[in-house]
Amino acid sequence: GQQLNQSPQSMFIQEGEDVSMNCTSSSIFNTWLWYKQEPGEGPVLLIALYKAGELTSNGRLTAQFGITRKDSFLNISASIPSDVGIYFCAGLNSGAGSYQLTFGKGTKLSVIP
Amino acid sequence: DVKVTQSSRYLVKRTGEKVFLECVQDMDHENMFWYRQDPGLGLRLIYFSYDVKMKEKGDIPEGYSVSREKKERFSLILESASTNQTSMYLCASILSSGYNEQFFGPGTRLTVL
Repeated sequence: GQQLNQSPQSMFIQEGEDVSMNCTSSSIFNTWLWYKQEPGEGPVLLIALYKAGELTSNGRLTAQFGITRKDSFLNISASIPSDVGIYFCAGLNSGAGSYQLTFGKGTKLSVIP
Repeated sequence: DVKVTQSSRYLVKRTGEKVFLECVQDMDHENMFWYRQDPGLGLRLIYFSYDVKMKEKGDIPEGYSVSREKKERFSLILESASTNQTSMYLCASILSSGYNEQFFGPGTRLTVL
């Protein structure tokens, strides 16, 4: 089946620093999704990307859909303590009657005040 | 706002017990999903349903069954719980295969003793 490689697995950063994480795949996806999961909660959708090359922002978050459709990155600028959590990428292929969503294993972000 | 709710946040059951995990969404979504989440393994799809009374196996259906008698409710059933089913269970839904963003419930942390 399809697999996503998400890196890094974990990050410890100082408050105020920028963060970058990415996902790569050997397969093409037609949508990329980025989720954040806080301890004891379900994942919450942050950004959805639908077109190769698309760059989308949501506040301090910016994500891009790679030109090859096999990768995506997420940047967080000026990190704050509430950014702590696990960030998941997910690649999606959907069409008539089919829906296949593949998740990365997550990047655990810790922010030191 | 889409709301996906799960009947319990925490459950403790004994080996061999029959366990029901309930998921309800209030946005008339057609597609619903059950995942389990384990450290180092990420999210793995157990079952999904694209309509009432319809179900499809995901990547790890063994030991589980599902029920979708009403559009808003998708139940995950552990016929005879085992210790290796101790996990975080997440329910998700989307409107239809033409909409890509999955919305997750808060999760049920199940411990099987």
